[in-house]
Amino acid sequence: NAGVTQTPKFRILKIGQSMTLQCTQDMNHNYMYWYRQDPGMGLKLIYYSVGAGITDKGEVPNGYNVSRSTTEDFPLRLELAAPSQTSVYFCASRVKTRPAPDTQYFGPGTRLTVL
Amino acid sequence: DAKTTQPNSMESNEEEPVHLPCNHSTISGTDYIHWYRQLPSQGPEYVIHGLTSNVNNRMASLAIAEDRKSSTLILHRATLRDAAVYYCIPRRVSGNTPLVFGKGTRLSVIA
Repeated sequence: NAGVTQTPKFRILKIGQSMTLQCTQDMNHNYMYWYRQDPGMGLKLIYYSVGAGITDKGEVPNGYNVSRSTTEDFPLRLELAAPSQTSVYFCASRVKTRPAPDTQYFGPGTRLTVL
Repeated sequence: DAKTTQPNSMESNEEEPVHLPCNHSTISGTDYIHWYRQLPSQGPEYVIHGLTSNVNNRMASLAIAEDRKSSTLILHRATLRDAAVYYCIPRRVSGNTPLVFGKGTRLSVIA
């Protein structure tokens, strides 16, 4: 299994441009997440999905959109890039198990710079 | 979710044990305590979790206070590869809500 893969690894955008960050997992996990991590800070949740066709906002959803048409893919869309969106973006997934462990598997991240 | 308090940073010598503390005084009775770590330039990875009893796995040990208001992640012999940010995360057992990452503890390992 490749686990969680993210593309691209790096990207530089100009203010106002749009892009899609790709995330794919091959573990048949129900849950998928998008986080951002600013320098020296912890991770903040942007959006998450509990299954195909179902998404929900996290702590910092403004400026982003997501879709979940398949179990494997969970792309994150930036419509009008702003300097405040300069960050490292991590995608994660986990299988639905109760009660624990809540083991999330993370991708390697996408480093985005908006100039 | 319960709030957590961790030291901003800690330092250890290589091959010595490291005890990483976490206070979670508002934890509820059904919250599991998870620990993740983030190596430089990588995404976080799961380390260990527990509810009430102390736990061991190949990566670390988790010691949970009897009142569950604090826990300690123990690395028995720190290596240079253990240098990372360590996150303590209480997690509601029945929730679908995601993990909440704080700032964690940055562990430096000195050769």
